[in-house]
Amino acid sequence: GQQLNQSPQSMFIQEGEDVSMNCTSSSIFNTWLWYKQEPGEGPVLLIALYKAGELTSNGRLTAQFGITRKDSFLNISASIPSDVGIYFCAGQNYGGSQGNLIFGKGTKLSVKP
Amino acid sequence: NAGVMQNPRHLVRRRGQEARLRCSPMKGHSHVYWYRQLPEEGLKFMVYLQKENIIDESGMPKERFSAEFPKEGPSILRIQQVVRGDSAAYFCASSPPAGGGWGEQYFGPGTRLTVT
Repeated sequence: GQQLNQSPQSMFIQEGEDVSMNCTSSSIFNTWLWYKQEPGEGPVLLIALYKAGELTSNGRLTAQFGITRKDSFLNISASIPSDVGIYFCAGQNYGGSQGNLIFGKGTKLSVKP
Repeated sequence: NAGVMQNPRHLVRRRGQEARLRCSPMKGHSHVYWYRQLPEEGLKFMVYLQKENIIDESGMPKERFSAEFPKEGPSILRIQQVVRGDSAAYFCASSPPAGGGWGEQYFGPGTRLTVT
């Protein structure tokens, strides 16, 4: 089945630093979504991308839908302690099962004050 | 609270018992999805439902697992004769009718099932 490769697996950064993480796939996706999950909670939607090449921002977060439709990245600028959590990418493929979100394994972010 | 609601948040069952997990979608949403998450893993799709219809159950185990979304009331994920391997966090998500099952999905807080 389709798989998403998300990297890095974990990051330890200093408060104020910028962060970059990405997802790649061997097949095309039509939608890319980025979520953040904190311990004991459900994923919270951060950014949704619908067009190849699309660049979308949400506060200090910026995400892009790759031109090839096989990748996406998420940047966080000027990180703060509350950015700590696990960030997941998820993709949808119109050729696949309707509604089926495929998730990466997550990037665990730790921020040192 | 206009978000996706799930209950119970934590459920402990002994091997062989039944587990029932409930999900109420966001107000106005008509599409419900169930996902399972193992520790240190991403979420894995199980089933997609609309009111009174199962649209896609390609991620559901063939035995012991069933899901429904009745005309009235919450969506239910039912696991019969639970085994230790069923221990996981189960998340429900919903999306608005306009998307037709595509696009943004909003997740509930999850039910953590522990099988002893």
